[in-house]
Amino acid sequence: NAGVTQTPKFRILKIGQSMTLQCTQDMNHNYMYWYRQDPGMGLKLIYYSVGAGITDKGEVPNGYNVSRSTTEDFPLRLELAAPSQTSVYFCASNLGDRVRNGYTFGSGTRLTVV
Amino acid sequence: AQTVTQSQPEMSVQEAETVTLSCTYDTSESDYYLFWYKQPPSRQMILVIRQEAYKQQNATENRFSVNFQKAAKSFSLKISDSQLGDAAMYFCAYRSESGANSKLTFGKGITLSVRP
Repeated sequence: NAGVTQTPKFRILKIGQSMTLQCTQDMNHNYMYWYRQDPGMGLKLIYYSVGAGITDKGEVPNGYNVSRSTTEDFPLRLELAAPSQTSVYFCASNLGDRVRNGYTFGSGTRLTVV
Repeated sequence: AQTVTQSQPEMSVQEAETVTLSCTYDTSESDYYLFWYKQPPSRQMILVIRQEAYKQQNATENRFSVNFQKAAKSFSLKISDSQLGDAAMYFCAYRSESGANSKLTFGKGITLSVRP
């Protein structure tokens, strides 16, 4: 049981480059989330999805895009990388509303934009 | 919108002693969950303990327990018999149960160090 798998674990991008952070889960969870973690700021929600074909913005969506074509996968796309996007990114999943469990998190991706 | 506040950025505890990490939150809802997550240097987010707002009894998981004060909107974490492996960043988090798509709102976190 792999849980939530994120790739890559580390990445250095140049300003203006694009990349996709991959996230996949094998628990048949309906809900998936992308957070970014900045020092001293906690985790901020970027985008989330409540099922295949459905996505919605979180607190800090600017500069990012997502898609949810399958239940398992929820990739996060950075189109034009900026230094402000230097952060640690976490993908997480949850079975759904009114479920007492917290999230299952991936191990994170550390992204540096130079 | 809900907010979660962790006002202490850092704390330190002697091994085998007890430490309490503070958390307050702001909400107008009556139905919600509260969580404490641990993030060691490995970066992995680990669920430590959860509390349902409708339960008056404080949650306990081995050496970890909470003091949930619903009227005061306070949710502190007590770690008893602290161990070196408890050194990590700890996040308090809130989740609404009223159609908010299970989104978690996190505090800024507190870094706990354990002195041998």
